[in-house]
Amino acid sequence: QSVLTQPPSVSAAPGQKVTISCSGSSSNIGNNYVSWYQQLPGTAPKLLIYDNNKRPSGIPDRFSGSKSGTSATLGITGLQTGDEADYYCGTWDSSLSVLFGGGTKLTVL
Amino acid sequence: QLQLQESGPGLVKPSETLSLTCTVSGGSISSSSYYWGWIRQPPGKGLEWIGSIYYSGSTYYNPSLKSRVTISVDTSKNQFSLKLSSVTAADTAVYYCARHEWIQLKNWFDPWGQGTLVTVSS
Repeated sequence: QSVLTQPPSVSAAPGQKVTISCSGSSSNIGNNYVSWYQQLPGTAPKLLIYDNNKRPSGIPDRFSGSKSGTSATLGITGLQTGDEADYYCGTWDSSLSVLFGGGTKLTVL
Repeated sequence: QLQLQESGPGLVKPSETLSLTCTVSGGSISSSSYYWGWIRQPPGKGLEWIGSIYYSGSTYYNPSLKSRVTISVDTSKNQFSLKLSSVTAADTAVYYCARHEWIQLKNWFDPWGQGTLVTVSS
């Protein structure tokens, strides 16, 4: 059971929008920045969002991040079949550890 | 373009020590403001941070693994390494190395190596 809670799965149709939540506490998300990673099947994770809402070079603006209090959200618009992947949030925790959420499997119907 | 590549045995016996090396190319491991980290992922499960090291040798470890983990750096070879002692089947996972950008309250991993599967079995 991860300290950062993500829904196990989400789904939406191509072209639609989906959001993935990451819920934590004041020990982690509440006082630290959040990053998001995309893991396509059989590949290594890739950084999607850092500093809560910044996109690395090359990441399309269909991907967005936000944070409010002790929760963070990843948004994906204009869904494509190529977006089917596992998504993970990450942050620092006062237990002196980097934490990752349990991961959310996105299905594009 | 910075690239990282993990290497090491794919099979380790229970109670022995797992040893992996990450070779960094396309950039210097001695770059300031970057840490270098290890993350693992058991088959079908989520990500777990193992620990990170600065080029100077300063380390941070996951408290749950701290008693068994040693991460070291060799700047002359542009490599950093992971040793995990007293392994059990629960340590079977894909092990990733990654550059760990860590500035005060901000931290993220980018880029990642392709990962290497380590199986603990007799």
